[in-house]
Amino acid sequence: EIMLTQSPGTLSLSPGERATLSCRASQSVSSYLAWYQQKPGQAPRLLIYDTSNRATGIPDRFSGSGSGTDFTLTISRLEPEDFAVYYCQHYGSSRTFGQGTKVEI
Amino acid sequence: EVQLLESGGGLVQPGGSLRLSCAASGFTFSNYAMAWVRQTPGKGLEWVSAITGSGGDTYLADSVKGRFTISRDNSKKTLYLQMSSLRAEDTAVYYCAKGSTMSRPYYFDSWGQGTLVTVSS
Repeated sequence: EIMLTQSPGTLSLSPGERATLSCRASQSVSSYLAWYQQKPGQAPRLLIYDTSNRATGIPDRFSGSGSGTDFTLTISRLEPEDFAVYYCQHYGSSRTFGQGTKVEI
Repeated sequence: EVQLLESGGGLVQPGGSLRLSCAASGFTFSNYAMAWVRQTPGKGLEWVSAITGSGGDTYLADSVKGRFTISRDNSKKTLYLQMSSLRAEDTAVYYCAKGSTMSRPYYFDSWGQGTLVTVSS
């Protein structure tokens, strides 16, 4: 089973700053990598699919990149509503999630 | 608008059974794979089970194999998860999630609000 490791565990930033979240796979996942955002008490929401495609309605301050085993979610300028937990997920040969990165103020 | 509404959660004793349901609307249900994903309180996400659009193929995580069964009724636009031999470690919020296509590979483009399952004596 492919394992996904996210770093850092917690990212402490201020509104307006840039956030860079990492997701590393134990073996190549091709481009089958998605990112989800989850706020307290809410269900996860799809942000990015196929490594770099924004889901419907997702602002362009969110971007995804990477290939093979190393992937990045970047939030160019943090808005107050962006403080949340972010998960990466591989959906090719397995359906594993990373353990999450909390972006806090 | 896609809507997924889970039901059936609750308190159950260890070794007991429970059936979760997920009523879908806003899309052609039979055209998409569906899945259950759970989240232990305060922890991360764990994929539990998935089923293709036709219902012909099903998949289970190793942690629930032999205990859980996924199924769907396309005429009723409803997804099910039959859980038996429940353990304390099955305690979690269970989310119903819509796949992006009928079969693999697919990401989850819509999620329900979740239903809490608590396994405790």
